Amino acid sequence: NAGVMQNPRHLVRRRGQEARLRCSPMKGHSHVYWYRQLPEEGLKFMVYLQKENIIDESGMPKERFSAEFPKEGPSILRIQQVVRGDSAAYFCASSPKRTGPNEKLFFGSGTQLSVL
Amino acid sequence: GQNIDQPTEMTATEGAIVQINCTYQTSGFNGLFWYQQHAGEAPTFLSYNVLDGLEEKGRFSSFLSRSKGYSYLLLKELQMKDSASYLCALNSGNTPLVFGKGTRLSVIA
Repeated sequence: NAGVMQNPRHLVRRRGQEARLRCSPMKGHSHVYWYRQLPEEGLKFMVYLQKENIIDESGMPKERFSAEFPKEGPSILRIQQVVRGDSAAYFCASSPKRTGPNEKLFFGSGTQLSVL
Repeated sequence: GQNIDQPTEMTATEGAIVQINCTYQTSGFNGLFWYQQHAGEAPTFLSYNVLDGLEEKGRFSSFLSRSKGYSYLLLKELQMKDSASYLCALNSGNTPLVFGKGTRLSVIA
């Protein structure tokens, strides 16, 4: 079984451009989570989605950031008008159902976003 | 909210045993996870604890004391490939996993 697939692996953008990060969850998983990781920092939760629904976006900045998980296709994390502070590793994780005591998250290899 | 504390860095010798501590404060608790993350790679699941006590899985064991808000990850017979960051993560029930900043372990010969 394929794991969580993220692409691109590396993304370079200039300030003001848009960045689109894609995540295909593991087969059979309908829950997707996006986390951001800065150097020397932990994984910071951004947004949690199920198919066609945003369940929790409490960790996502209100401006410039958006996320979707359409009925067909991968989940997309979109960052508009990127700034240097957006440079980070963005990890996607999936689970078969909402994370409970025995549910673990399966992570993709991440997208390293560099803003010039 | 939740707060998780782990040491930033640790160094240990190949073949030795190392204990990585994690303390936490949380209003709700459903479980505590440990993940391993090699530089530039995805975090991978190591263990979880829901009840107090020790969970052993090969060279890795994890301990939990809910009353003390304390967990540790024990790595035995250290190998060079164990050099990685170890992330403690809380499941508080209604929110996605909250991660600590991680402990970067260096295994030296």
